[in-house]
Amino acid sequence: DADVTQTPRNRITKTGKRIMLECSQTKGHDRMYWYRQDPGLGLRLIYYSFDVKDINKGEISDGYSVSRQAQAKFSLSLESAIPNQTALYFCATSDGSQRGNQPQHFGDGTRLSIL
Amino acid sequence: AQKITQTQPGMFVQEKEAVTLDCTYDTSDQSYGLFWYKQPSSGEMIFLIYQGSYDEQNATEGRYSLNFQKARKSANLVISASQLGDSAMYFCAMRDNFQGAQKLVFGQGTRLTINP
Repeated sequence: DADVTQTPRNRITKTGKRIMLECSQTKGHDRMYWYRQDPGLGLRLIYYSFDVKDINKGEISDGYSVSRQAQAKFSLSLESAIPNQTALYFCATSDGSQRGNQPQHFGDGTRLSIL
Repeated sequence: AQKITQTQPGMFVQEKEAVTLDCTYDTSDQSYGLFWYKQPSSGEMIFLIYQGSYDEQNATEGRYSLNFQKARKSANLVISASQLGDSAMYFCAMRDNFQGAQKLVFGQGTRLTINP
């Protein structure tokens, strides 16, 4: 089983719809992140959370919201989807308790298309 | 801010050959780390290997190794005995302390194609 699980893997929806992308992890990590990947733009940080009560905006948070329901779960919502939110979305986790540079571990991604 | 440069948009290699993917970086930090990720066509982002700036030896993980040259600010990924399954995009990345987030900054990537 994957350590970082994203659902759904693929989603096609219409402009104006509310969408929730879910992420759960079994790695026991405290830090969780949401990124989006667009061709030519690389990965950009949407939101991040270091703890259940610690949620912060990233580079491109407008139009998105998040919820950290538990240490293991971090969901991303698009309140009213628009076509330029079409992208590949990644959830990632890392262990903040370890010293040094810890890698971020990514889920398999969610391909989201807004028509 | 950290910056990662990957100058090879695409590479084609024969199966079983070794391949080197280039990565240069720019940072003013004394302590930092470099990461390599693999992204197959199916889309997932897979962590491969990590090199710390103060590590005395180059990192190795199975067929993956890092040619780390700190003075030149380069951290090239070497894949030995390439396999068809190595065909993918490869990203070099490092951590950027964006508002305390420690987000990852990625290079533009190199698309590696292994030919049979």
